Amino acid sequence: AQSVTQLGSHVSVSEGALVLLRCNYSSSVPPYLFWYVQYPNQGLQLLLKYTSAATLVKGINGFEAEFKKSETSFHLTKPSAHMSDAAEYFCAVSESGGSYIPTFGRGTSLIVHP
Amino acid sequence: DGGITQSPKYLFRKEGQNVTLSCEQNLNHDAMYWYRQDPGQGLRLIYYSQIVNDFQKGDIAEGYSVSREKKESFPLTVTSAQKNPTAFYLCASSPQGLTDTQYFGPGTRLTVL
Repeated sequence: AQSVTQLGSHVSVSEGALVLLRCNYSSSVPPYLFWYVQYPNQGLQLLLKYTSAATLVKGINGFEAEFKKSETSFHLTKPSAHMSDAAEYFCAVSESGGSYIPTFGRGTSLIVHP
Repeated sequence: DGGITQSPKYLFRKEGQNVTLSCEQNLNHDAMYWYRQDPGQGLRLIYYSQIVNDFQKGDIAEGYSVSREKKESFPLTVTSAQKNPTAFYLCASSPQGLTDTQYFGPGTRLTVL
Protein backbone atom coordinates (compact mmCIF):
# COMPACT_ATOMS: atom_id res chain seq x y z
CA ALA A 1 0.00 0.00 0.00
CA GLN A 2 1.22 3.45 -0.78
CA SER A 3 1.87 6.14 1.79
CA VAL A 4 3.52 9.53 1.91
CA THR A 5 5.56 11.01 4.74
CA GLN A 6 6.44 14.68 4.90
CA LEU A 7 9.13 15.24 7.49
CA GLY A 8 8.49 18.39 9.50
CA SER A 9 5.08 19.98 9.82
CA HIS A 10 6.75 23.41 9.80
CA VAL A 11 9.91 24.64 8.09
CA SER A 12 11.25 28.11 8.76
CA VAL A 13 13.77 29.88 6.51
CA SER A 14 15.06 33.39 5.98
CA GLU A 15 14.31 35.26 2.80
CA GLY A 16 16.99 34.38 0.25
CA ALA A 17 17.89 31.07 1.92
CA LEU A 18 17.58 27.60 0.44
CA VAL A 19 14.20 25.91 0.79
CA LEU A 20 14.16 22.14 1.34
CA LEU A 21 10.88 20.32 1.98
CA ARG A 22 11.12 16.58 2.44
CA CYS A 23 8.86 13.89 1.05
CA ASN A 24 9.32 10.12 1.30
CA TYR A 25 6.95 7.60 -0.16
CA SER A 26 6.44 3.88 0.23
CA SER A 27 5.77 2.12 -3.02
CA SER A 28 7.06 -1.07 -4.53
CA VAL A 29 6.46 0.11 -8.07
CA PRO A 30 7.33 3.33 -9.89
CA PRO A 31 4.88 5.95 -8.71
CA TYR A 32 3.49 9.20 -9.99
CA LEU A 33 4.59 11.93 -7.59
CA PHE A 34 3.26 15.44 -7.14
CA TRP A 35 3.94 18.59 -5.17
CA TYR A 36 1.07 21.00 -4.60
CA VAL A 37 0.98 24.38 -2.87
CA GLN A 38 -1.89 25.84 -0.88
CA TYR A 39 -2.19 29.49 0.12
CA PRO A 40 -4.41 30.36 3.12
CA ASN A 41 -8.10 29.58 2.63
CA GLN A 42 -7.59 28.51 -0.98
CA GLY A 43 -7.49 25.31 -2.97
CA LEU A 44 -4.29 23.56 -4.02
CA GLN A 45 -2.36 24.18 -7.21
CA LEU A 46 0.25 22.01 -8.87
CA LEU A 47 3.92 22.93 -8.45
CA LEU A 48 5.37 19.96 -10.33
CA LYS A 49 4.82 16.31 -11.25
CA TYR A 50 7.11 13.31 -11.71
CA THR A 51 6.11 10.79 -14.36
CA SER A 52 9.40 8.90 -14.88
CA ALA A 53 10.51 11.00 -17.88
CA ALA A 54 13.33 12.65 -15.91
CA THR A 55 14.49 12.35 -12.31
CA LEU A 56 14.92 16.11 -11.87
CA VAL A 57 11.63 17.88 -12.33
CA LYS A 58 11.32 21.64 -12.68
CA GLY A 59 8.13 23.36 -11.61
CA ILE A 60 6.64 26.79 -11.32
CA ASN A 61 7.98 29.67 -9.21
CA GLY A 62 11.57 28.34 -9.28
CA PHE A 63 10.83 25.08 -7.44
CA GLU A 64 12.26 21.74 -8.44
CA ALA A 65 12.26 18.20 -7.06
CA GLU A 66 14.48 15.19 -7.57
CA PHE A 67 13.18 11.64 -7.68
CA LYS A 68 15.57 9.25 -5.89
CA LYS A 69 14.40 5.68 -6.18
CA SER A 70 17.07 4.27 -3.86
CA GLU A 71 15.96 6.64 -1.10
CA THR A 72 12.24 6.57 -2.04
CA SER A 73 12.31 10.35 -1.82
CA PHE A 74 10.99 13.29 -3.78
CA HIS A 75 12.24 16.35 -1.91
CA LEU A 76 11.23 19.84 -3.03
CA THR A 77 13.85 22.60 -3.25
CA LYS A 78 14.19 26.23 -4.20
CA PRO A 79 17.56 28.02 -4.17
CA SER A 80 16.32 31.32 -2.75
CA ALA A 81 13.14 31.80 -0.72
CA HIS A 82 10.79 34.72 -1.29
CA MET A 83 8.26 36.04 1.19
CA SER A 84 5.56 35.03 -1.29
CA ASP A 85 6.59 31.36 -0.94
CA ALA A 86 5.04 31.20 2.53
CA ALA A 87 2.30 28.59 2.19
CA GLU A 88 1.38 24.97 2.90
CA TYR A 89 3.04 22.37 0.66
CA PHE A 90 1.69 18.89 0.02
CA CYS A 91 3.39 15.87 -1.49
CA ALA A 92 1.13 13.28 -3.15
CA VAL A 93 1.62 9.82 -4.68
CA SER A 94 -0.38 7.72 -7.09
CA GLU A 95 0.65 4.16 -7.99
CA SER A 96 -0.74 0.83 -9.06
CA GLY A 97 -0.48 -0.78 -5.60
CA GLY A 98 -2.98 1.77 -4.38
CA SER A 99 -5.15 1.41 -7.48
CA TYR A 100 -3.74 4.79 -8.50
CA ILE A 101 -5.93 6.54 -5.93
CA PRO A 102 -4.03 9.68 -4.92
CA THR A 103 -2.62 9.79 -1.38
CA PHE A 104 -1.53 13.09 0.14
CA GLY A 105 1.00 13.76 2.87
CA ARG A 106 0.04 15.77 5.93
CA GLY A 107 1.61 18.92 4.58
CA THR A 108 4.53 21.18 5.51
CA SER A 109 3.97 24.81 6.37
CA LEU A 110 6.78 27.00 4.99
CA ILE A 111 7.49 30.12 7.02
CA VAL A 112 9.71 32.78 5.45
CA HIS A 113 11.34 35.39 7.68
CA PRO A 114 12.45 38.77 6.31
CA ASP B 1 -12.55 31.43 -17.69
CA GLY B 2 -12.21 27.69 -17.14
CA GLY B 3 -12.08 26.37 -13.63
CA ILE B 4 -13.78 24.79 -10.65
CA THR B 5 -16.29 26.61 -8.51
CA GLN B 6 -17.43 25.61 -5.06
CA SER B 7 -20.30 27.16 -3.20
CA PRO B 8 -20.88 28.42 -0.68
CA LYS B 9 -17.49 29.56 0.64
CA TYR B 10 -18.71 29.34 4.25
CA LEU B 11 -21.53 27.15 5.51
CA PHE B 12 -23.04 26.79 8.95
CA ARG B 13 -25.17 23.85 9.92
CA LYS B 14 -27.03 22.79 13.01
CA GLU B 15 -26.41 19.34 14.38
CA GLY B 16 -28.70 16.75 12.84
CA GLN B 17 -29.13 18.57 9.53
CA ASN B 18 -28.00 17.35 6.14
CA VAL B 19 -26.20 19.87 3.95
CA THR B 20 -25.10 19.79 0.31
CA LEU B 21 -21.89 21.34 -0.98
CA SER B 22 -21.78 22.32 -4.63
CA CYS B 23 -18.91 21.64 -7.04
CA GLU B 24 -19.01 22.61 -10.72
CA GLN B 25 -16.26 22.47 -13.36
CA ASN B 26 -16.17 23.75 -16.93
CA LEU B 27 -12.82 22.14 -17.80
CA ASN B 28 -14.46 19.15 -19.51
CA HIS B 29 -12.63 16.87 -17.10
CA ASP B 30 -13.76 13.27 -16.69
CA ALA B 31 -12.68 12.68 -13.08
CA MET B 32 -13.83 14.57 -9.99
CA TYR B 33 -12.94 14.23 -6.31
CA TRP B 34 -13.98 15.36 -2.85
CA TYR B 35 -11.44 15.80 -0.07
CA ARG B 36 -11.72 16.76 3.55
CA GLN B 37 -8.94 18.85 5.10
CA ASP B 38 -8.37 19.11 8.86
CA PRO B 39 -5.42 20.90 10.50
CA GLY B 40 -2.35 18.66 10.53
CA GLN B 41 -4.16 15.86 8.70
CA GLY B 42 -3.48 16.71 5.10
CA LEU B 43 -6.16 15.85 2.55
CA ARG B 44 -8.29 12.76 2.95
CA LEU B 45 -10.31 11.41 0.05
CA ILE B 46 -14.06 11.12 0.59
CA TYR B 47 -15.38 10.08 -2.84
CA TYR B 48 -14.21 10.14 -6.41
CA SER B 49 -15.83 9.70 -9.78
CA GLN B 50 -14.13 8.82 -13.05
CA ILE B 51 -17.22 8.92 -15.23
CA VAL B 52 -20.79 10.15 -15.17
CA ASN B 53 -23.20 8.00 -13.13
CA ASP B 54 -20.35 6.18 -11.41
CA PHE B 55 -18.43 6.95 -8.22
CA GLN B 56 -16.33 5.14 -5.62
CA LYS B 57 -15.76 5.55 -1.90
CA GLY B 58 -12.50 6.97 -0.68
CA ASP B 59 -10.87 6.55 2.71
CA ILE B 60 -13.50 8.38 4.77
CA ALA B 61 -16.85 7.99 2.96
CA GLU B 62 -18.95 7.22 6.04
CA GLY B 63 -21.54 9.92 6.66
CA TYR B 64 -21.20 11.39 3.16
CA SER B 65 -22.98 10.83 -0.14
CA VAL B 66 -22.42 12.06 -3.71
CA SER B 67 -24.00 11.99 -7.14
CA ARG B 68 -22.60 12.43 -10.63
CA GLU B 69 -25.55 12.98 -12.95
CA LYS B 70 -23.69 15.46 -15.15
CA LYS B 71 -20.06 15.57 -16.19
CA GLU B 72 -19.58 19.08 -14.85
CA SER B 73 -21.23 18.61 -11.45
CA PHE B 74 -20.30 16.52 -8.38
CA PRO B 75 -22.26 17.63 -5.30
CA LEU B 76 -21.39 16.31 -1.85
CA THR B 77 -24.00 15.80 0.87
CA VAL B 78 -22.84 15.76 4.46
CA THR B 79 -25.42 13.77 6.37
CA SER B 80 -26.33 13.79 10.03
CA ALA B 81 -24.51 10.45 10.30
CA GLN B 82 -21.16 12.24 9.94
CA LYS B 83 -20.04 12.58 13.55
CA ASN B 84 -17.53 15.38 13.14
CA PRO B 85 -18.35 17.33 9.98
CA THR B 86 -16.66 20.63 10.81
CA ALA B 87 -13.82 20.91 8.27
CA PHE B 88 -12.59 22.49 5.05
CA TYR B 89 -13.91 20.63 1.99
CA LEU B 90 -12.08 20.69 -1.32
CA CYS B 91 -13.37 19.57 -4.68
CA ALA B 92 -10.98 18.72 -7.51
CA SER B 93 -11.07 17.45 -11.06
CA SER B 94 -8.57 15.86 -13.43
CA PRO B 95 -8.67 15.45 -17.22
CA GLN B 96 -8.95 11.69 -17.35
CA GLY B 97 -7.55 9.35 -14.76
CA LEU B 98 -6.32 9.20 -11.21
CA THR B 99 -2.68 9.83 -12.21
CA ASP B 100 -3.47 13.15 -13.84
CA THR B 101 -2.80 16.52 -12.27
CA GLN B 102 -5.72 17.58 -10.11
CA TYR B 103 -7.25 21.04 -10.36
CA PHE B 104 -8.78 22.27 -7.12
CA GLY B 105 -11.65 24.55 -6.29
CA PRO B 106 -11.37 27.28 -3.62
CA GLY B 107 -13.01 25.14 -0.94
CA THR B 108 -16.02 25.32 1.38
CA ARG B 109 -15.56 25.74 5.12
CA LEU B 110 -18.33 23.91 6.97
CA THR B 111 -19.00 24.64 10.61
CA VAL B 112 -21.49 22.69 12.70
CA LEU B 113 -23.04 24.77 15.44
